[in-house]
Amino acid sequence: AQSVTQLDSHVSVSEGTPVLLRCNYSSSYSPSLFWYVQHPNKGLQLLLKYTSAATLVKGINGFEAEFKKSETSFHLTKPSAHMSDAAEYFCVVSPLSGGSYIPTFGRGTSLIVHP
Amino acid sequence: DVKVTQSSRYLVKRTGEKVFLECVQDMDHENMFWYRQDPGLGLRLIYFSYDVKMKEKGDIPEGYSVSREKKERFSLILESASTNQTSMYLCASSSQWVAEAFFGQGTRLTVV
Repeated sequence: AQSVTQLDSHVSVSEGTPVLLRCNYSSSYSPSLFWYVQHPNKGLQLLLKYTSAATLVKGINGFEAEFKKSETSFHLTKPSAHMSDAAEYFCVVSPLSGGSYIPTFGRGTSLIVHP
Repeated sequence: DVKVTQSSRYLVKRTGEKVFLECVQDMDHENMFWYRQDPGLGLRLIYFSYDVKMKEKGDIPEGYSVSREKKERFSLILESASTNQTSMYLCASSSQWVAEAFFGQGTRLTVV
């Protein structure tokens, strides 16, 4: 079965410094990968998606992620953190199972941004 | 605009009650999903459906059942609610041809 591992449960950065949220996946073929963000008491918002086109994927709010097949990674980055980036982030793989894509979530990384 | 609507944002139920959580999508999607979200555990799949009247168990189906009588509606049923089912429940839908899923706002269920 395909799965994702988010390597950090919490990441703490200062405002204006770079953000790195790490995600590794297991897959027997090229997967569809996503990053979602969830702000407190809000729903899930899609940040970006990789579906076997360009390996560097740009998303909303200055976030981007790079698909590295050799490392089975899909890390999320942002050059400069903003206070409004404080939220929970989920890495998701959607394997094809019995003819349907089934989103499978990592456990989440809580991003804390200090002034 | 894509829309997945969950009938309640917050629910409080008593132990032993039968609970229905409703989800409606307006995108004519084949697939619908129910997840449970708990701190530190991410979202875990309870059940999904790939067609009307069709369902498949996810990773944590115990204590839950589902119903899909119409393509646009997917219901999660707690036959006899227990306190360990206190959680945030999220519904999602997707086209069978595309990996991206669309999520509702969630229902925070408290069982007392």
